[in-house]
Amino acid sequence: GAGVSQSPSNKVTEKGKDVELRCDPISGHTALYWYRQSLGQGLEFLIYFQGNSAPDKSGLPSDRFSAERTGGSVSTLTIQRTQQEDSAVYLCASSPDRGNEKLFFGSGTQLSVL
Amino acid sequence: DQQVKQNSPSLSVQEGRISILNCDYTNSMFDYFLWYKKYPAEGPTFLISISSIKDKNEDGRFTVFLNKSAKHLSLHIVPSQPGDSAVYFCAASVRGGADGLTFGKGTHLIIQP
Repeated sequence: GAGVSQSPSNKVTEKGKDVELRCDPISGHTALYWYRQSLGQGLEFLIYFQGNSAPDKSGLPSDRFSAERTGGSVSTLTIQRTQQEDSAVYLCASSPDRGNEKLFFGSGTQLSVL
Repeated sequence: DQQVKQNSPSLSVQEGRISILNCDYTNSMFDYFLWYKKYPAEGPTFLISISSIKDKNEDGRFTVFLNKSAKHLSLHIVPSQPGDSAVYFCAASVRGGADGLTFGKGTHLIIQP
């Protein structure tokens, strides 16, 4: 596609439920990032994938968060047993390669945990 | 511990005037700096960047200044236009590092007609 695509654009869930957020990066981009933006905060780094290498999970806030990237393309961020503090906009970004910081962002998924 | 700080949550500027957005950082290892612009319900888009070997980079109406000794950078927009109204994020990185970009909290720029 022309840009980074994320789905769903909005997700409302109940506390304790699991959610899956999807990211479809720009074709050919080898680097993929997940960030989240909580209300009034900056963008918080969560996880990064580069090609087929093991992901950098250093930003994941707890073991309830996990992500995978299948075939070096589509990525899924999973949050298990959601908590109210998980409510945020989850942004996915891709770039042509690891050394290129000019990230292309999707429109994000607004997650609301009730 | 915030490594990239944007101390002004919002800024209001008259159309046609200069907008100056400020950003401070604490990590002396940062060697690449970027500004992103974000409209509501959209993802951030890359605006302009600067390497630590430079102190100024200009692209049309946008200029970024870097003062390494003060660990400070600023984004100048001149002249300001209504379409510039958005949230601007400052970001920094250590090139070749493993942590990606570190973002500030953003400054909401409002251009008054």
